[in-house]
Amino acid sequence: GNSVTQMEGPVTLSEEAFLTINCTYTATGYPSLFWYVQYPGEGLQLLLKATKADDKGSNKGFEATYRKETTSFHLEKGSVQVSDSAVYFCALTFMNTGFQKLVFGTGTRLLVSP
Amino acid sequence: DAGVIQSPRHEVTEMGQEVTLRCKPISGHNSLFWYRQTMMRGLELLIYFNNNVPIDDSGMPEDRFSAKMPNASFSTLKIQPSEPRDSAVYFCASSLRQGDYGYTFGSGTRLTVV
Repeated sequence: GNSVTQMEGPVTLSEEAFLTINCTYTATGYPSLFWYVQYPGEGLQLLLKATKADDKGSNKGFEATYRKETTSFHLEKGSVQVSDSAVYFCALTFMNTGFQKLVFGTGTRLLVSP
Repeated sequence: DAGVIQSPRHEVTEMGQEVTLRCKPISGHNSLFWYRQTMMRGLELLIYFNNNVPIDDSGMPEDRFSAKMPNASFSTLKIQPSEPRDSAVYFCASSLRQGDYGYTFGSGTRLTVV
């Protein structure tokens, strides 16, 4: 079936450190891939997306590249800030009986200290 | 656009009482999703609608849970009778059926059953 696997958290970093959160997927066909972010007490927000192989999604300094060969969509940021502390969810979407359906990973908590 | 609007933000109720959660999707979105989030199980898809019709309710945990979407601008999730293990944050999300726009989530309802 279609699934997403994320690295276990929490990921603990100091401000200005480099961030990588790993995400791999299993899917039939060619899904679209997403990263969502959830700040404390809030709902999930779309952070970035990529709809085909080799596409790079980017937003707010975060990037992720759709790698079909390795079935991966790792999230990266060159210099994290305290305000980036949140839970990050990798997700894929596929058409199920004609309807778009999102499958989420389990989420990775990021903690950034000053 | 005001985004996906959920009410109430917080609900505390006694075991055995009926609870109704409400959601107003983004105007023009034709798919609506109800999720439950807990520390133990993460994000779980409970049910989703397309054009106000329930498509997949296989995630609804028990008959105590029911969801309706009487029109394109309103949906409810009802739990009757409620139990302490129903305590969670319940999210509503909406999306366009076609295209890879992802989902827009509401801010959630934090339900506590005592």
